[in-house]
Amino acid sequence: DAKTTQPPSMDCAEGRAANLPCNHSTISGNEYVYWYRQIHSQGPQYIIHGLKNNETNEMASLIITEDRKSSTLILPHATLRDTAVYYCIVRVADAGNNRKLIWGLGTSLAVNP
Amino acid sequence: KAGVTQTPRYLIKTRGQQVTLSCSPISGHRSVSWYQQTPGQGLQFLFEYFSETQRNKGNFPGRFSGRQFSNSRSEMNVSTLELGDSALYLCASSPMVSSTDTQYFGPGTRLTVL
Repeated sequence: DAKTTQPPSMDCAEGRAANLPCNHSTISGNEYVYWYRQIHSQGPQYIIHGLKNNETNEMASLIITEDRKSSTLILPHATLRDTAVYYCIVRVADAGNNRKLIWGLGTSLAVNP
Repeated sequence: KAGVTQTPRYLIKTRGQQVTLSCSPISGHRSVSWYQQTPGQGLQFLFEYFSETQRNKGNFPGRFSGRQFSNSRSEMNVSTLELGDSALYLCASSPMVSSTDTQYFGPGTRLTVL
């Protein structure tokens, strides 16, 4: 199963871009990279996902390297409300075509005023 | 659309008791997954249901069980509670079961076992 590695914590100044890295060196060709975030004691919130190409939505941008072994989530203008734990997850498809998400401990992002 | 709802939000039980947690998925979603989240272990997959059938199961003991009803609502049950079962239990729903489906999470049920 592909696993992900993220730094345990990061800081970012309010209004600046937050760049959160993730390594997934054992990812397979048909596995997607998902990003979620979790604000304290709430359920995880979906942010973005991608397979090969870079993706952008109203919340963030996802940059995936050409070899797909790592990715970066970019929050272009971080606000205090972006303070949360960010999870980078690889979607696993097992032999029965079922799938489960493999979660690590994520990156705790602190946005400072 | 209304989001995923979970009841109750908070629960306190004692060792040896059993507990049932409920999850109502987003309207139209047919897949429901359950996760346990503890500070030391992070978020761990329990099981997933689709069309009333368990499709996948994580590495948890048989004390943890679940079911899904015809309206896609799901319940999970934990019997003979242990102190280590104290955790945030999260439910997530998605339209189908495929590698491209995005899961949407509920707020969770905070279970405390005394």
